[in-house]
Amino acid sequence: EDQVTQSPEALRLQEGESSSLNCSYTVSGLRGLFWYRQDPGKGPEFLFTLYSAGEEKEKERLKATLTKKESFLHITAPKPEDSATYLCAVQAVRVYSGAGSYQLTFGKGTKLSVIP
Amino acid sequence: KAGVTQTPRYLIKTRGQQVTLSCSPISGHRSVSWYQQTPGQGLQFLFEYFSETQRNKGNFPGRFSGRQFSNSRSEMNVSTLELGDSALYLCASSQTAAAPGRGGQNIQYFGAGTRLSVL
Repeated sequence: EDQVTQSPEALRLQEGESSSLNCSYTVSGLRGLFWYRQDPGKGPEFLFTLYSAGEEKEKERLKATLTKKESFLHITAPKPEDSATYLCAVQAVRVYSGAGSYQLTFGKGTKLSVIP
Repeated sequence: KAGVTQTPRYLIKTRGQQVTLSCSPISGHRSVSWYQQTPGQGLQFLFEYFSETQRNKGNFPGRFSGRQFSNSRSEMNVSTLELGDSALYLCASSQTAAAPGRGGQNIQYFGAGTRLSVL
């Protein structure tokens, strides 16, 4: 069974204080690891997808990295508008009724609060 | 390009009733997945449809069902509602159900969700 564990559950940072969020996973046949951002009352917003160990992707103040067992989301000099819940998900191919399907398994998220 | 649209945004029902939620995927996307999000369990996969066929199913009781139409729009139905069904129901669309490599076809884009409250 695929498992995704995110830590910490909640993180409170001062504006400009850099930090990292962790996502550890166990999955059979990883096809991709995804990071999403979710604001209150909204659906998850796609940020990054990583496919192989050693891969890195950046977007503004965010940088995602991937190893064989975990992924990190580094936040550099965060601003209050970065406050949100960050979700990590692994994607694997599952066969159901003879058909292949990409299934996402999510962690429970890290709630980030950036204080001005 | 319009995003994933879910209707209605909010629903209040009572125990024992049934409910139907609707999802219109991004134009050109053929795969639609449904998730239930609760504070305790996070996002849990319900099922996925591709070309009007259920391609995958999560570990939920048979009260939860869905379908997809020829225009890729999807509906999910929950019958005999229970208090524990109160949740945010999210729909996500992607270009294809199964695509190799890094083409981005397997990225799932989410709608804003339907907040269901069961009283």
